[in-house]
Amino acid sequence: QKEVEQDPGPLSVPEGAIVSLNCTYSNSAFQYFMWYRQYSRKGPELLMYTYSSGNKEDGRFTAQVDKSSKYISLFIRDSQPSDSATYLCAMSAYGGSQGNLIFGKGTKLSVKP
Amino acid sequence: EAGVTQFPSHSVIEKGQTVTLRCDPISGHDNLYWYRRVMGKEIKFLLHFVKESKQDESGMPNNRFLAERTGGTYSTLKVQPAELEDSGVYFCASSQDYPGLFTDTQYFGPGTRLTVL
Repeated sequence: QKEVEQDPGPLSVPEGAIVSLNCTYSNSAFQYFMWYRQYSRKGPELLMYTYSSGNKEDGRFTAQVDKSSKYISLFIRDSQPSDSATYLCAMSAYGGSQGNLIFGKGTKLSVKP
Repeated sequence: EAGVTQFPSHSVIEKGQTVTLRCDPISGHDNLYWYRRVMGKEIKFLLHFVKESKQDESGMPNNRFLAERTGGTYSTLKVQPAELEDSGVYFCASSQDYPGLFTDTQYFGPGTRLTVL
């Protein structure tokens, strides 16, 4: 069983739609949960991070972590064509500068005008 | 402020040859990470430097890979001799350690796309 599972998509939505991206994981030691956005031919860029369970909101983006279900989500409201990218979840058991990150495969999102 | 830079952006080599990838982290960042993404797979951790010391090299696939970080600044990753399965995108990331913060933000470079023929 992979440590992190993420549906690779591709996912295509119309502009303005609400997008839901998800990851499941198997390692109960994970405490730090991140979402990265990667545009084509670029490196991953940190979008949001959450510690332990709960929700975190930043503008049109909301990250949710449910540790009891080992399930994390990223919601994008009022999606824009500029949101078209690959979204990667990443996790770590350690805080500070100790963590190598465990990534999902990424979900490719396309937002159509 | 300049981001993480990697050189070259793309390298095509024959099996058995040697390739050296370079990463320049963000100035002042003590932590430097190497990751690799093989086609169709997820990004996987290779190793972590703190300044010039290897903190964690548990992800290095075998002894054909050698990473160095001279003087705690830029880092090189050498593959010698290269094999077909080494093809992929090699990412470098750097971060600064802020005591008391939950976790550091890792800033990624654009990656080096390595093709071994």
